[in-house]
Amino acid sequence: DGGITQSPKYLFRKEGQNVTLSCEQNLNHDAMYWYRQDPGQGLRLIYYSQIVNDFQKGDIAEGYSVSREKKESFPLTVTSAQKNPTAFYLCASSATKQETQYFGPGTRLLVL
Amino acid sequence: DAKTTQPTSMDCAEGRAANLPCNHSTISGNEYVYWYRQIHSQGPQYIIHGLKNNETNEMASLIITEDRKSSTLILPHATLRDTAVYYCIVSHDFGTNAGKSTFGDGTTLTVKP
Repeated sequence: DGGITQSPKYLFRKEGQNVTLSCEQNLNHDAMYWYRQDPGQGLRLIYYSQIVNDFQKGDIAEGYSVSREKKESFPLTVTSAQKNPTAFYLCASSATKQETQYFGPGTRLLVL
Repeated sequence: DAKTTQPTSMDCAEGRAANLPCNHSTISGNEYVYWYRQIHSQGPQYIIHGLKNNETNEMASLIITEDRKSSTLILPHATLRDTAVYYCIVSHDFGTNAGKSTFGDGTTLTVKP
């Protein structure tokens, strides 16, 4: 089956710890995105990547980092600099950045 | 990218058509109208999109006014499983939405038995 997978479904972070959220797609899409969603609110763009080895900051990139070493993978690291990381994180991809986005199931990050 | 305005919430009776409006009065000529929905604690699901003409697929119909300043998503026979938050987005380039809240708060549609 083609699609976008995110793991884990739930992730717990201790204070001062970095954690990495996985996003994989087998749709052969060039563009990939990370969004953050807080309860009752819409999605906010963290980072996006148009092609391998390239990525751009969104509005809320502070405290986050990404890499795009492979076309199918776009992991997001939530660093200790992100002071309020508890949220629902969504990964998406599209054939190009002008085309329809498709979303993964999301990862819920909780701080202990 | 243009901003959109949607009602906060709507109810619909099961089996009836659900008509969800969206205003996008500042839409540019190259911007598409997209609709997504998000069921609680899941990723948004793509529904339909269009530029100028009305569109229909197996999930829904999209009616865009001639001046493109508003649109309506129609779910022809709503079921309880259609209860979700529906997002209307106008965009020509998701990459340039960086810095903007592309997906606003949407419309919470509740389908009632």
